[in-house]
Amino acid sequence: KNQVEQSPQSLIILEGKNCTLQCNYTVSPFSNLRWYKQDTGRGPVSLTIMTFSENTKSNGRYTATLDADTKQSSLHITASQLSDSASYICVVSLQTGANNLFFGTGTRLTVIP
Amino acid sequence: DAGVIQSPRHEVTEMGQEVTLRCKPISGHDYLFWYRQTMMRGLELLIYFNNNVPIDDSGMPEDRFSAKMPNASFSTLKIQPSEPRDSAVYFCASRGPGQGGYTFGSGTRLTVV
Repeated sequence: KNQVEQSPQSLIILEGKNCTLQCNYTVSPFSNLRWYKQDTGRGPVSLTIMTFSENTKSNGRYTATLDADTKQSSLHITASQLSDSASYICVVSLQTGANNLFFGTGTRLTVIP
Repeated sequence: DAGVIQSPRHEVTEMGQEVTLRCKPISGHDYLFWYRQTMMRGLELLIYFNNNVPIDDSGMPEDRFSAKMPNASFSTLKIQPSEPRDSAVYFCASRGPGQGGYTFGSGTRLTVV
């Protein structure tokens, strides 16, 4: 069964600290993995996208890693800011078909001053 | 480009009433998706269109839900009659050719009382 699981479900950190969010998936055949940021009251916005051959990708203070062998991904946020408070959703794509996205339920991150 | 545009942003209606949600995809995108997001289940695909043709509506929960895409720049999701358990945030997303990125709208928050 194709599934995407994220942990933790929620996280509270102090401004300026780093954090790491986890994503495990069983989706196969795998095409790519994306991390989305969803601010409250907004739609998800893409942060990174990684294919099978990519191990890491950065977008500013966000760094995503992918281990296709263990089917795990992480999103590391460096020097967190209050504006990082949002839900972070891991999305895995199958190789074929347009209806090929599998969504995690997200990690709710709250950055406090 | 203004992105994917959804309206209304918020809708509060009484049980039994008809609700119509609207979406304008990004010009040139040939796929359009309707998703529903709840705290318990995260993002769930309801239906998607390719070149205005419904491809997969297996995610539509009941016959009370219907979606149309009369042209490449407009789609509607209708619920008739609405029920309290339909309360959720409904997102529209569009995607261009290939395995390109998905762009989400800001969503419509529906509350059925």
